Amino acid sequence: IAGITQAPTSQILAAGRRMTLRCTQDMRHNAMYWYRQDLGLGLRLIHYSNTAGTTGKGEVPDGYSVSRANTDDFPLTLASAVPSQTSVYFCASRQGDTQYFGPGTRLTVL
Amino acid sequence: GDSVTQMEGPVTLSEEAFLTINCTYTATGYPSLFWYVQYPGEGLQLLLKATKADDKGSNKGFEATYRKETTSFHLEKGSVQVSDSAVYFCALFSTGGFKTIFGAGTRLFVKA
Repeated sequence: IAGITQAPTSQILAAGRRMTLRCTQDMRHNAMYWYRQDLGLGLRLIHYSNTAGTTGKGEVPDGYSVSRANTDDFPLTLASAVPSQTSVYFCASRQGDTQYFGPGTRLTVL
Repeated sequence: GDSVTQMEGPVTLSEEAFLTINCTYTATGYPSLFWYVQYPGEGLQLLLKATKADDKGSNKGFEATYRKETTSFHLEKGSVQVSDSAVYFCALFSTGGFKTIFGAGTRLFVKA
């Protein structure tokens, strides 16, 4: 089934460690996004990419970085994790006006 | 800037009750409007959409009508089921900025 895969499904991480969340899509969508969801409700945009080779900052980019070397992959890196980055992270892509979401990564930073 | 406001939850209903979740928006131009649903432990998925004024989106018994005069896109279902328990997000896509703006989400609990 075509869609977005994210890895890992969940992770417990010590503060100060580096972590990369992986996101891969097989729909060949140009635009991709990373969101975090706290307390099971509102989404906040971390970073986005309108096409391979370009990235941009969302509303909460501090402490995170992304790269977009090709159309399919859009990894999110936490350079030095802090407890406030404990959240559920969703990767998404966009075709036209509609977004498609991955299943999420639940990250706990201790 | 563009924004979406939806009713706060949680909303708790008994099975077969009527559901309304209110959503209003502020946008320049003519955005597309959406309802996304998030079931427990999953990512968001598209529930329905409408792309122009007076369009009605529908899916799985849910409906919403694009009302430009009231800048609203309220979600309705005539008879909810326990399986409808989820978080519902109203959203707009701004063609000017190529951005999707999400509401804060409304959690729905349906009791048997």
